[in-house]
Amino acid sequence: AQSVTQPDIHITVSEGASLELRCNYSYGATPYLFWYVQSPGQGLQLLLKYFSGDTLVQGIKGFEAEFKRSQSSFNLRKPSVHWSDAAEYFCAVAPGYGGSQGNLIFGKGTKLSVKP
Amino acid sequence: EAGVAQSPRYKIIEKRQSVAFWCNPISGHATLYWYQQILGQGPKLLIQFQNNGVVDDSQLPKDRFSAERLKGVDSTLKIQPAKLEDSAVYLCASRQLGRHEQYFGPGTRLTVT
Repeated sequence: AQSVTQPDIHITVSEGASLELRCNYSYGATPYLFWYVQSPGQGLQLLLKYFSGDTLVQGIKGFEAEFKRSQSSFNLRKPSVHWSDAAEYFCAVAPGYGGSQGNLIFGKGTKLSVKP
Repeated sequence: EAGVAQSPRYKIIEKRQSVAFWCNPISGHATLYWYQQILGQGPKLLIQFQNNGVVDDSQLPKDRFSAERLKGVDSTLKIQPAKLEDSAVYLCASRQLGRHEQYFGPGTRLTVT
């Protein structure tokens, strides 16, 4: 069965420091990959997506992610974190085609705290 | 462009009562999803519609949950009767045919006491 693992439940970084959030997936083929962000009391906002092509994708708010097929990973990065980035981040995969096309499978999320 | 709308934003009910949530997707999005997000977890798909037809409801607890999208636009998710373990945020998302990204509404936070 398809699955998504986000190994870090909670990460704290200082404002201005770099950030990397880890995501590993289990799927037989290359899935569609997404990162979403959820601020308290809010829905999920799409940060970026990977379908094919260049394995380094750019998203909104200065985030980027790199797809590594050999490691089944899709890690999210930001070179300099801002206090407003404090939120929960979810990695998700959409497996394949057919009736389940587009159905997202989410990881459990990583909560990001930012120290002043 | 208006986003996905959901109401109510918050609901508190007692166990065994019934509750309904409403979702209006982004205009022109044929596919609509309902997710359940329990505290500390990622969202889990409950049901997927394409237009007014159900595509996937394999994870919907059909003994107590029901959903409809009669005219292929807005949708209602109902729980009857509610249990304590139904306390969660219920998220609605929509997707345009031919695209893969889903757009989420703000969610409805349900507390069952």
